[in-house]
Amino acid sequence: SAVISQKPSRDICQRGTSLTIQCQVDSQVTMMFWYRQQPGQSLTLIATANQGSEATYESGFVIDKFPISRPNLTFSTLTVSNMSPEDSSIYLCSVEEGAAGTFYNEQFFGPGTRLTVL
Amino acid sequence: LAKTTQPISMDSYEGQEVNITCSHNNIATNDYITWYQQFPSQGPRFIIQGYKTKVTNEVASLFIPADRKSSTLSLPRVSLSDTAVYYCLVGGTGGFKTIFGAGTRLFVKA
Repeated sequence: SAVISQKPSRDICQRGTSLTIQCQVDSQVTMMFWYRQQPGQSLTLIATANQGSEATYESGFVIDKFPISRPNLTFSTLTVSNMSPEDSSIYLCSVEEGAAGTFYNEQFFGPGTRLTVL
Repeated sequence: LAKTTQPISMDSYEGQEVNITCSHNNIATNDYITWYQQFPSQGPRFIIQGYKTKVTNEVASLFIPADRKSSTLSLPRVSLSDTAVYYCLVGGTGGFKTIFGAGTRLFVKA
């Protein structure tokens, strides 16, 4: 199973600044996903990132606000730009791999980055 | 992507079997049903996935009726450590994005 790490694990930022979150996977994966989870809520998909192409954003999320890089098959970054308190959330990256012994795929998630914007 | 409906919360006691049912009336022919578990301050963790009938692994069973419009996650003999949020997801695999519903908060009491 894929092991995913994220940096930073948490941060407190000032309004109007930007934060870049890093996601590192211990194996090569085609697709990486970025999610946001606000306190007490479910996960919301921000975008899907493929290596070598622009990320695909979900409704309500735009590249200018959440630029994503995917320079290789094991790494991705998500930047939260021009932050406001409404951006306070946990940001998680995930990858999809085949489940051992099956034809199915499962998603593995990083530990998340807890962002607080003052 | 098919929408899912599941109870907001459930309570149980240690040692009991817990069944969480998820409705997905608009499931498509090529959709799989997947359940994830999430503990506080952690990312979701895959529990089980199935397409039809019954699937069992070391932690849970998944029951899917013939019409596939619902599914039931069964957790045998829960313990306090099973207190978590459980998400039912329906969609394709192999590069398809995963959309999370509201989830079910399970509280296991001593």
